Amino acid sequence: GESVGLHLPTLSVQEGDNSIINCAYSNSASDYFIWYKQESGKGPQFIIDIRSNMDKRQGQRVTVLLNKTVKHLSLQIAATQPGDSAVYFCAEVPRGGTSYGKLTFGQGTILTVHP
Amino acid sequence: DTGVSQDPRHKITKRGQNVTFRCDPISEHNRLYWYRQTLGQGPEFLTYFQNEAQLEKSRLLSDRFSAERPKGSFSTLEIQRTEQGDSAMYLCASSFPSPGWETQYFGPGTRLLVL
Repeated sequence: GESVGLHLPTLSVQEGDNSIINCAYSNSASDYFIWYKQESGKGPQFIIDIRSNMDKRQGQRVTVLLNKTVKHLSLQIAATQPGDSAVYFCAEVPRGGTSYGKLTFGQGTILTVHP
Repeated sequence: DTGVSQDPRHKITKRGQNVTFRCDPISEHNRLYWYRQTLGQGPEFLTYFQNEAQLEKSRLLSDRFSAERPKGSFSTLEIQRTEQGDSAMYLCASSFPSPGWETQYFGPGTRLLVL
């Protein structure tokens, strides 16, 4: 049968390590960016967001960094736990107009945390 | 449970049949979005509502798809004459935008399989 898009980047870490998940975006007009976590069979779960006029934002155990020069976004997870195992998506939101709020998702990264 | 809910969670249908999915957003969220997600991919925007008004529809949304939000609360997504290519996870999200910020909260999704 046809192979269906199961070629997501993967990241494997040991429990307690820090994880860094990267995302490249293409639209320089994007207004802000959101990271979502998606566990198997569930909908995406909001983790953290950042506006385009910011470089860094911190939450509980997570930090998002935005580099507009190279259109790069990263999610850092401190002290990664097995419960963090999931697919992580970055999403961008266009600036203004009726399209504001329409999310464009990146490819996704599979994070596996080993006990 | 005060999150976004979707019904049914799973639907198996035969090609050519019509299906309808329901989404109940978080109470008082005035924006409601529909996305479609296939295996290994991020969600793709289909359409969204602000209150009862449908403001934008993706080119992905063929004439066989229709969405409504008649009273500005719950929404339905109907697919007529289903095709095997319609098999996917259909996700609903809701939000209440504030100046400069809009976080979309997703429901668990309806997984559709067209035989």
